[in-house]
Amino acid sequence: GDSVTQMEGPVTLSEEACLTINCTYTATGYPSLFWYVQYPGEGLQLLLKATKADDKGSNKGFEATYRKETTSFHLEKGSVQVSDSAVYFCALSVYMYSGGGADGLTFGKGTHLIIQP
Amino acid sequence: GAVVSQHPSWVICKSGTSVKIECRSLDFQATTMFWYRQFPKQSLMLMATSNEGSKATYEQGVEKDKFLINHASLTLSTLTVTSAHPEDSSFYICSARAPGGTTYEQYFGPGTRLTVT
Repeated sequence: GDSVTQMEGPVTLSEEACLTINCTYTATGYPSLFWYVQYPGEGLQLLLKATKADDKGSNKGFEATYRKETTSFHLEKGSVQVSDSAVYFCALSVYMYSGGGADGLTFGKGTHLIIQP
Repeated sequence: GAVVSQHPSWVICKSGTSVKIECRSLDFQATTMFWYRQFPKQSLMLMATSNEGSKATYEQGVEKDKFLINHASLTLSTLTVTSAHPEDSSFYICSARAPGGTTYEQYFGPGTRLTVT
């Protein structure tokens, strides 16, 4: 079945440090890849997405590139801020071209990011 | 942007009673809605997929007679937890998918915290 593996947390960084959160996946079909962010006490928000190989998703200074050859979608940011502290989820959705419609999202376990001033 | 609401945001019920959670897409029509369950400090687990006007599709291990899903219109899906027990206490999250395009993004509701005493 489909699965997403992301690095375990918590990840603690100082403000302005570089961030990489690794994410790899296994999937049948043609997955779209997503990063979601969950701020304390809030629901999940889509951070960025990529729908085909070599696409780069970007938002709020974060970016991730869909690497089909390594089945990866690592999240990166050059300079993190305290406000980036949250839980980050890597996820995929497989579009079943047969007409069954895309399945629900398959999530990784989440990575808790803590940014210290 | 697309907005999804859930009601109630939190509920406490006694063991043996039933609880209904509503999920609404406020500014778009959602042909498909998803229900997830999130345990503390863990990822979201897909419970079921509901398509408007048809029976929900449940993931393996999810009891369809216990978690009743009704997708009565293009903007409303409900999850009813029947004969709730303390082990059903969890955070329930719905998402809705807007039709069209090749990017199947899901928009998440803020979640419902269920506590069964």
